Amino acid sequence: EVQLVESGGGLVQPGGSLRLSCAASGLTLSTYWMTWVRQAPGKGLEWVASIKEDGSAQYYVDSVTGRFTISRDNAKNSLYLQMNSLRAEDTAVYYCARGRGGVWGQGTTVTVSS
Amino acid sequence: DVVMTQSPLSLPVTLGQPASISCRSSQSLAHSDGNTYLHWFQQRPGQSPRRLIYRVSNRESGVPDRFSGSGSGTDFTLKISRVEAEDVGAYYCMQGTHWPWTFGQGTKVEIK
Repeated sequence: EVQLVESGGGLVQPGGSLRLSCAASGLTLSTYWMTWVRQAPGKGLEWVASIKEDGSAQYYVDSVTGRFTISRDNAKNSLYLQMNSLRAEDTAVYYCARGRGGVWGQGTTVTVSS
Repeated sequence: DVVMTQSPLSLPVTLGQPASISCRSSQSLAHSDGNTYLHWFQQRPGQSPRRLIYRVSNRESGVPDRFSGSGSGTDFTLKISRVEAEDVGAYYCMQGTHWPWTFGQGTKVEIK
């Protein structure tokens, strides 16, 4: 069974950092673009970042550029999102997804609040 | 950025009746590789999203055939031929042709 499992969410103060992880099973991550999507409480879906199969290219939504870094470790079949300088508006459930959304994880909740 | 505009944003439907959701993009979603990366997602209450339709009209494995997608260029439609109770939730279109990828605002389907 194909599965993506996110972890690393939690409560953090404004200006703080978190690192999200996404572990894949049942699929070989190295053959896919991977993506992070977030959903603020009661709101719609927002694409955050994507990374090419070999990690050689990354793309970000403007609101996180310079603060978030997407990366991957294909040997560990894992995807990451390093989030720095967090703001209240980054509060959301963060989902990892395969490519353009073919498979989704269950999400991990990030709350930025003092 | 490509703006994705869905309508309606709220869709009350009678069980067994058809439903249709429109998604319009601010520019053509035809990619230079020949594909059109317009996808449809369903998010049931309390669940993660799941993709129903990829590249305009291709149903994902396991998706009931009452769901269908159509369109081209900037104008796309998701149709449910006969709404069932399990179809309640939010539906999103997403374009993956132009960076940054963008979602529509979402359409909430509810049973009358």
